[in-house]
Amino acid sequence: ETGVTQSPTHLIKTRGQQVTLRCSSQSGHNTVSWYQQALGQGPQFIFQYYREEENGRGNFPPRFSGLQFPNYSSELNVNALELDDSALYLCASSLSSDRYNEQFFGPGTRLTVL
Amino acid sequence: DAKTTQPPSMDCAEGRAANLPCNHSTISGNEYVYWYRQIHSQGPQYIIHGLKNNETNEMASLIITEDRKSSTLILPHATLRDTAVYYCIVRVVSGGSNYKLTFGKGTLLTVNP
Repeated sequence: ETGVTQSPTHLIKTRGQQVTLRCSSQSGHNTVSWYQQALGQGPQFIFQYYREEENGRGNFPPRFSGLQFPNYSSELNVNALELDDSALYLCASSLSSDRYNEQFFGPGTRLTVL
Repeated sequence: DAKTTQPPSMDCAEGRAANLPCNHSTISGNEYVYWYRQIHSQGPQYIIHGLKNNETNEMASLIITEDRKSSTLILPHATLRDTAVYYCIVRVVSGGSNYKLTFGKGTLLTVNP
């Protein structure tokens, strides 16, 4: 069983640029959630994708967008990067038929915005 | 989801039991208590969850008070590898795909040799 993987591991961008982060779900999982974790804080929910559509969103502006592909992998796109977007971005996969929705997290992508 | 309160940090000696408290006084009848932990520079890892009965698995035990307003996660024999931030989360279990985890700041558990 393959776990959740994310790429890249680290990324440095400058303010105003755009970034794409990638996530491969655990085998058999059909739901992907993205979280942002600022230094010293707990992860904050960005959005969730199920059947290639956004299925719930946290308090993040529209410049945070995503995609889910037929193989259930996912992308997080952030436009017009701001300094405060510097954080660890976590992807978590789960199975919609699992009543308890156990989420399996990837190792994260560390984004630094200069 | 109900809010949780945890101490910011705790210490524990290696080999001893680590008891991590969590207050969730506004928990609703259909909300479960979940525990996750995050080892430095890794993604959070599921530990255990429960509704009202005490639960035990290979990682830990979860003790929920009778009024469900608080709970304790117990690591019976803490090791250095258990040093991590532990998050207590309360959420409704409804099945389907539309749900999120609401993390607080958690408790940094440091296991000392």
